[in-house]
Amino acid sequence: GEDVEQSLFLSVREGDSSVINCTYTDSSSTYLYWYKQEPGAGLQLLTYIFSNMDMKQDQRLTVLLNKKDKHLSLRIADTQTGDSAIYFCAESYNQGGKLIFGQGTELSVKP
Amino acid sequence: EPEVTQTPSHQVTQMGQEVILRCVPISNHLYFYWYRQILGQKVEFLVSFYNNEISEKSEIFDDQFSVERPDGSNFTLKIRSTKLEDSAMYFCASSPPGGGEQFFGPGTRLTVL
Repeated sequence: GEDVEQSLFLSVREGDSSVINCTYTDSSSTYLYWYKQEPGAGLQLLTYIFSNMDMKQDQRLTVLLNKKDKHLSLRIADTQTGDSAIYFCAESYNQGGKLIFGQGTELSVKP
Repeated sequence: EPEVTQTPSHQVTQMGQEVILRCVPISNHLYFYWYRQILGQKVEFLVSFYNNEISEKSEIFDDQFSVERPDGSNFTLKIRSTKLEDSAMYFCASSPPGGGEQFFGPGTRLTVL
């Protein structure tokens, strides 16, 4: 069945790199996404990757995809206190299709 | 920058009452969605809408739920007879032609008493 799993908490020091991990079960996923949710706010799309890619870099964000292990990670370089939020991994099977979310990883950045 | 908007931000209702949650998707988008997030739980898909009809719905989206695009800009979710377990944050999202990224609104917090 469809399932996306993430660890619940991650704590880092300001200036360090953060790596948030996600595993998914369905190998037919076509798109994999990372969303950010700040307290009381909606879901902000950070980045996404097609399943035929291994890596995508966008400024401080690097997404790595290991299709064999069905593992997705989001690396945030030079983490800032403003990066403190909940980060959701999500997958979908096709363009326009539903998103299946993980339970979210709460990132805490300490000064 | 265009964004998805939702109203109201918070709705309190009595069990058994009907509620309508409203969304204005990004103007050139063609795919529309509703999701919900019960406190402390995952964001769950409810329904997707394309070309003026439901394209997919989840098990949660039973006969108590309906969606409508009454004009060229609004997209609504109606819950006919609310239950306590419908209390959640409801998110609307939209996608451009070709699908891909889904852009989310800020959500409506529904509290059923």
